Amino acid sequence: AQSVTQLGSHVSVSEGALVLLRCNYSSSVPPYLFWYVQYPNQGLQLLLKYTTGATLVKGINGFEAEFKKSETSFHLTKPSAHMSDAAEYFCAVSEWTGGGADGLTFGKGTHLIIQP
Amino acid sequence: DGGITQSPKYLFRKEGQNVTLSCEQNLNHDAMYWYRQDPGQGLRLIYYSQIVNDFQKGDIAEGYSVSREKKESFPLTVTSAQKNPTAFYLCASSIEGRTAGSSYNSPLHFGNGTRLTVT
Repeated sequence: AQSVTQLGSHVSVSEGALVLLRCNYSSSVPPYLFWYVQYPNQGLQLLLKYTTGATLVKGINGFEAEFKKSETSFHLTKPSAHMSDAAEYFCAVSEWTGGGADGLTFGKGTHLIIQP
Repeated sequence: DGGITQSPKYLFRKEGQNVTLSCEQNLNHDAMYWYRQDPGQGLRLIYYSQIVNDFQKGDIAEGYSVSREKKESFPLTVTSAQKNPTAFYLCASSIEGRTAGSSYNSPLHFGNGTRLTVT
């Protein structure tokens, strides 16, 4: 069975500093991986996704993530944090097993705090 | 603009009452989903529907019911049997449903949620 672990329920960075949100997954087959962002009292928006091909994926708002199969990781980064990046971030894994109807599993989320 | 509309945004009910949360989409998506979000627990799948007149239980379906009579609508009823109904409920849709053999890379589009408080 697949699973997602997001290290750190809260991450605090200074404005202008590097953002690094960690996500590790377990999957018995090559996974599809997603990062979603949730602003307060709103739904989730897709930031980026990895399916196949290039392992470095660029998303919206300057975020990117790198799929590292050997480390079973899909960490999210942004070179320079902005106050508007303060939100909850969710990593999700979708396992194409060829069977079953819904294979999407979410991590528990990381709350990103931006210090002025 | 196309999107998913959840209503109402805030809902208050007394314990023992059933309540129905609305979810409408005009994206022409086949699949629709209901998730429950509790602090520190991420999203948990309640029910999903891949086509009209068909739906399946998710991980935490007990105490909930759904219907899918129209492609654009997927209402969720929280029944009195749900022991801890207070939560943030999110509806989502995707272009295609996830069936056996399909690639699950269709992203989910989410509504803005309904916060249900039961006292």
